[in-house]
Amino acid sequence: NAGVTQTPKFQVLKTGQSMTLQCAQDMNHNSMYWYRQDPGMGLRLIYYSASEGTTDKGEVPNGYNVSRLNKREFSLRLESAAPSQTSVYFCASSAQGADYGYTFGSGTRLTVV
Amino acid sequence: EDQVTQSPEALRLQEGESSSLNCSYTVSGLRGLFWYRQDPGKGPEFLFTLYSAGEEKEKERLKATLTKKESFLHITAPKPEDSATYLCAVYGGNEKLTFGTGTRLTIIP
Repeated sequence: NAGVTQTPKFQVLKTGQSMTLQCAQDMNHNSMYWYRQDPGMGLRLIYYSASEGTTDKGEVPNGYNVSRLNKREFSLRLESAAPSQTSVYFCASSAQGADYGYTFGSGTRLTVV
Repeated sequence: EDQVTQSPEALRLQEGESSSLNCSYTVSGLRGLFWYRQDPGKGPEFLFTLYSAGEEKEKERLKATLTKKESFLHITAPKPEDSATYLCAVYGGNEKLTFGTGTRLTIIP
């Protein structure tokens, strides 16, 4: 089925460890996004990529890095995980900005202990 | 800065009991207002886009409406399968999607 695929679905990290969240879409969308979702805070934009080869900071970029590997793939890296990064992470993609709606992946639930 | 406020935070309805969810917003240059549905453990699922005041869109038991300051998601004769969290978001001149915190809807059989 067409859509946005995120891996892994669950992850537990120790403080200070690093990891990369993977995201791939097969809808030929130009734009891709990383959000985090916390109780009472809603979805907050971490980083986005308007097109292949470009990335920009969102609302909460500190502690994260991203790579737009190609048109299909957009990864999120935590270099030194902190308990404050415990969250559910969603990747999304869209055809032409947000006007056509975002398609979201199923999320990665990350716990940092 | 764009802002979205959704109310109520949670709503419990009996099956068949119609109601409305509210989304109030402030945005610089509204280009679109979006409604999403989110089931537990899943990503948000796109429902509607509204572009201008007065616009309405329908899908099964859901109807979304838009004014210059708020949007309503009306649910008519809901069924238990309509239970989910409903998210509202705005896309404005800063070309970013800003989400509200959602309304958790529970339909009791």
